Amino acid sequence: QQQVKQSPQSLIVQKGGISIINCAYENTAFDYFPWYQQFPGKGPALLIAIRPDVSEKKEGRFTISFNKSAKQFSLHIMDSQPGDSATYFCAASGNAGNNRKLIWGLGTSLAVNP
Amino acid sequence: DGGITQSPKYLFRKEGQNVTLSCEQNLNHDAMYWYRQDPGQGLRLIYYSQIVNDFQKGDIAEGYSVSREKKESFPLTVTSAQKNPTAFYLCASRSLVGGYTFGSGTRLTVV
Repeated sequence: QQQVKQSPQSLIVQKGGISIINCAYENTAFDYFPWYQQFPGKGPALLIAIRPDVSEKKEGRFTISFNKSAKQFSLHIMDSQPGDSATYFCAASGNAGNNRKLIWGLGTSLAVNP
Repeated sequence: DGGITQSPKYLFRKEGQNVTLSCEQNLNHDAMYWYRQDPGQGLRLIYYSQIVNDFQKGDIAEGYSVSREKKESFPLTVTSAQKNPTAFYLCASRSLVGGYTFGSGTRLTVV
């Protein structure tokens, strides 16, 4: 059962453009929503994360937008660069018991053309 | 530097053979996780441990075993019962505030 649905599966963006990846979740007990970046042959690395008490969080060129009522959150990469080409995963978890496990989206492969 | 060390980076397994993947962390994290990654399938949880001497099955535990005798170590054994073990294996640990730290992975190939 896929509790976090991520789209699109793949994305091609021109250098300087905006990359947008979307995720939707089902469990209203989730209160932690991270995004991870993975390069080929490497483990995922935490990029940015948000909790539901805010609707947006920005770190450099990366922004998370969060819509609690719609149970959706998205990653925006501004001024996309070829070095951003990687696979991006969204995830969600709660803070108690089995809800503390991260539930992962299936990933989005991003290619930024020079 | 604090982090997670996975070894070996590449591992080859013969049919019917058990192999053990190493995962060591010096982050003082209580929780540790093993994931399997196949192309197009994201991250699938094999086993996890929230405390020493305790661990739980994840979504795809069949054919795998783990131990957690020390806080720093969480080795994964891929047994001969795992019929399709070729994959990229990732170990992670989790801090109290929620962030996961991953190792650099072990790529296992059946020969």
